[in-house]
Amino acid sequence: SQKIEQNSEALNIQEGKTATLTCNYTNYSPAYLQWYRQDPGRGPVFLLLIRENEKEKRKERLKVTFDTTLKQSLFHITASQPADSATYLCALDIPGTYKYIFGTGTRLKVLA
Amino acid sequence: EAGVAQSPRYKIIEKRQSVAFWCNPISGHATLYWYQQILGQGPKLLIQFQNNGVVDDSQLPKDRFSAERLKGVDSTLKIQPAKLEDSAVYLCASSPWAGIERENIQYFGAGTRLSVL
Repeated sequence: SQKIEQNSEALNIQEGKTATLTCNYTNYSPAYLQWYRQDPGRGPVFLLLIRENEKEKRKERLKVTFDTTLKQSLFHITASQPADSATYLCALDIPGTYKYIFGTGTRLKVLA
Repeated sequence: EAGVAQSPRYKIIEKRQSVAFWCNPISGHATLYWYQQILGQGPKLLIQFQNNGVVDDSQLPKDRFSAERLKGVDSTLKIQPAKLEDSAVYLCASSPWAGIERENIQYFGAGTRLSVL
């Protein structure tokens, strides 16, 4: 079965720096990979989707890359702000179904 | 556009009691999901509805959990009887996906935090 690995330890960075979060998977490569943001006490909020034939996707200060050879997606937040502090989840689609499986998430803290 | 509504926000019960959660999805969304999120983990899919039919309930503990979606709109998730390990946040999500496109972006409610004592 598919296993998703995200850094379980919190990532602390200084305001203004680029935050890079990692999503590794162990089995088949998904056709679609999504990134969500989750704040304490709230449900996840969709941020970006990248397809298997796309290397990179951007939205404002966010950038996602997808490397099917490394079985890895990287999520970047440039010019990070304290308001970016949250848990970030990656989700991979399960081939042959219409379901997504979520990683455990990485907690990001941007220090002022 | 109104988001996904869930109630209650919090619930504390004793083991072996029953509990029910309610979800009202975004208007027009055909697909509705219930997830269980244990502290420190990602959401785990329990059941997926397409309109008022079940698409997937393979990870739903059917001996104690049940769910229904009336008239293809609102949904309830019930646990009876509850166990200590059911303590978690129960998230409802909806999607405009209608069984064709696999991109399937989901919109989540704030969840119900359940504590079983």
